[in-house]
Amino acid sequence: EVQLLESGGDLVQPGGSLRLSCAASGFTFSSYAMSWVRQAPGKGLEWVSAMSGSGGRSINDNGGRTYYADSVKGRFTISRDNSKSTLYLQMNSLRAEDSAIYYCAKDRRYRASVLDYWGQGTLVTVSS
Amino acid sequence: SYVLTQPPSVSVAPGQTARITCGGSNIASKSVHWYQQKPGQAPVLVVYDDSDRPSGIPERFSGSNSGNTATLTISRVEAGDEADYYCQVWGSRSDHPGVFGAGTKVTVL
Repeated sequence: EVQLLESGGDLVQPGGSLRLSCAASGFTFSSYAMSWVRQAPGKGLEWVSAMSGSGGRSINDNGGRTYYADSVKGRFTISRDNSKSTLYLQMNSLRAEDSAIYYCAKDRRYRASVLDYWGQGTLVTVSS
Repeated sequence: SYVLTQPPSVSVAPGQTARITCGGSNIASKSVHWYQQKPGQAPVLVVYDDSDRPSGIPERFSGSNSGNTATLTISRVEAGDEADYYCQVWGSRSDHPGVFGAGTKVTVL
């Protein structure tokens, strides 16, 4: 059974930093693209960032093509540790408009395209 | 960036058919995916690649994509289908992630 467990959400002041983690299990983590999607209270979904998988190549390869929404480019960094089956999102220079539930999601393929499993989300609140 | 347009709401009686549209420029050239989100829950993929269903999704959910409009059809609507539905395509720019429509609230009367 695929499981995605996010953590790291918190209340942080504007300009602060936060690192989200997503522990994955139930599938070959390294093979699949992974993403972060956020949802502000009462709003729709916004795809924040994605990182391609290895497609079956070495699990020691933590690299992969990355994608960022314009709203977070230069402030957020996505990364993955295939040895730990864990996805990360480093968020710097946080703004009030970054407040949202952040979902970790698994892709159906090694290249990011469509999300077939989602975690339950972790809440980030940016406020003074 | 690529824009997906959905109606804010759709109302349907139980047992009837709900159709949710997703408009985009030449959207037929893209693969369209659909997600269902119930209050307080994470989204669930219900249709991918225009018309394929993940395992466990009822056959009542189907999709199509032509011209400038993709459509999610829910046949024989049940009370449990009441939810927000989002369409999604992969980004039109090489460095951008996917794009979601604004979502459609389906109300079962």
